Amino acid sequence: DAGVIQSPRHEVTEMGQEVTLRCKPISGHDYLFWYRQTMMRGLELLIYFNNNVPIDDSGMPEDRFSAKMPNASFSTLKIQPSEPRDSAVYFCASTSGRAYEQYFGPGTRLTVT
Amino acid sequence: AQSVTQLDSHVSVSEGTPVLLRCNYSSSYSPSLFWYVQHPNKGLQLLLKYTSAATLVKGINGFEAEFKKSETSFHLTKPSAHMSDAAEYFCVVSPPPNFGNEKLTFGTGTRLTIIP
Repeated sequence: DAGVIQSPRHEVTEMGQEVTLRCKPISGHDYLFWYRQTMMRGLELLIYFNNNVPIDDSGMPEDRFSAKMPNASFSTLKIQPSEPRDSAVYFCASTSGRAYEQYFGPGTRLTVT
Repeated sequence: AQSVTQLDSHVSVSEGTPVLLRCNYSSSYSPSLFWYVQHPNKGLQLLLKYTSAATLVKGINGFEAEFKKSETSFHLTKPSAHMSDAAEYFCVVSPPPNFGNEKLTFGTGTRLTIIP
């Protein structure tokens, strides 16, 4: 299995631009998670899905952030408009409801100038 | 409710000496516990997991951890440190599978430095 796939690996954009991060979970996994990692705040859970349905989005910072999962093999995290404080590494992770551990993708490093 | 506390933000050891990274947890149910490792500019990789089976858990790269319910601890150890062990280590707690809340709770991380 290829593991969790994220794209792009690096994204540099200007303030005010729209940013879309993508994630392909491990085949057969029915949970998908989006995390953000910064030096100041550590790892934060933004949102997670079960069977493509958002279950808990209480960690989404504000309305500028949105996430979708149109099917079992694809999810997006969108920031519109982006701000410099959104600069972070964004991780996607997936798991099966019968498993204990989550499997993380390599992350997308976002820089907003 | 669940929480996890990593008692050291930074640990330095010499190559070839033992490693001890400390973690205490709090949980209102029988938790699952994990250690994840993050090498610089990489994603998180699972080192080992405790899931209510054996209390001494062996993981990859020679690491192991012992679940001590009486002490609410899950410390990570390795008999002999290697230069490649230099990384950030996260202690993580979660509810059991199919609990209805699949959130992981991460510790703040311990940065392990290996001295040549």
